[in-house]
Amino acid sequence: GEDVEQSLFLSVREGDSSVINCTYTDSSSTYLYWYKQEPGAGLQLLTYIFSNMDMKQDQRLTVLLNKKDKHLSLRIADTQTGDSAIYFCAGARDDKIIFGKGTRLHILP
Amino acid sequence: NAGVTQTPKFQVLKTGQSMTLQCAQDMNHEYMSWYRQDPGMGLRLIHYSVGAGITDQGEVPNGYNVSRSTTEDFPLRLLSAAPSQTSVYFCASRTTAGTNTFGSGTRLTVV
Repeated sequence: GEDVEQSLFLSVREGDSSVINCTYTDSSSTYLYWYKQEPGAGLQLLTYIFSNMDMKQDQRLTVLLNKKDKHLSLRIADTQTGDSAIYFCAGARDDKIIFGKGTRLHILP
Repeated sequence: NAGVTQTPKFQVLKTGQSMTLQCAQDMNHEYMSWYRQDPGMGLRLIHYSVGAGITDQGEVPNGYNVSRSTTEDFPLRLLSAAPSQTSVYFCASRTTAGTNTFGSGTRLTVV
């Protein structure tokens, strides 16, 4: 089955770029997703990438997919205090979406 | 456009009590699912449904029942609450492209 791994914490200075990494085990995932969760709230879909793509850019967000290494990353350019949240990587296979444990992004002044 | 609505937002139960967490969506999505979120565990899939009348188990189904009599509603039933079921529960519905919309969550405490 699908297993999705992420580091638990990341600290970044305001204005720098944040890079959140994720590895997954099931290469048959059709889609891979990044979700954002702010304190006390549900998960908000940030972006997703089809498995036949290598990169997707959406304003400050860049998603890179390395299928050979089963590695997914989310880069946030010009990190702001409002980016402080937990970021979840998720993979989809068949009818199930499996989430990583989440990376807590902390913004340093 | 309400999206996914979960009720209640907060609930305290005594061990052994039963209750139903409600979830409704107005986007005509076929696919709905329930997750629980615990500290350090991420989101774990409890049950899911690919359409009215069809349900299936996720990673952690024990102690929970679901039904899907309509496209809009996907209630989660706790049969006999246990302290291990203290968690935050999220309902989600999904487009055919696989993008989930989540409810705002139900924070459940079992004492």
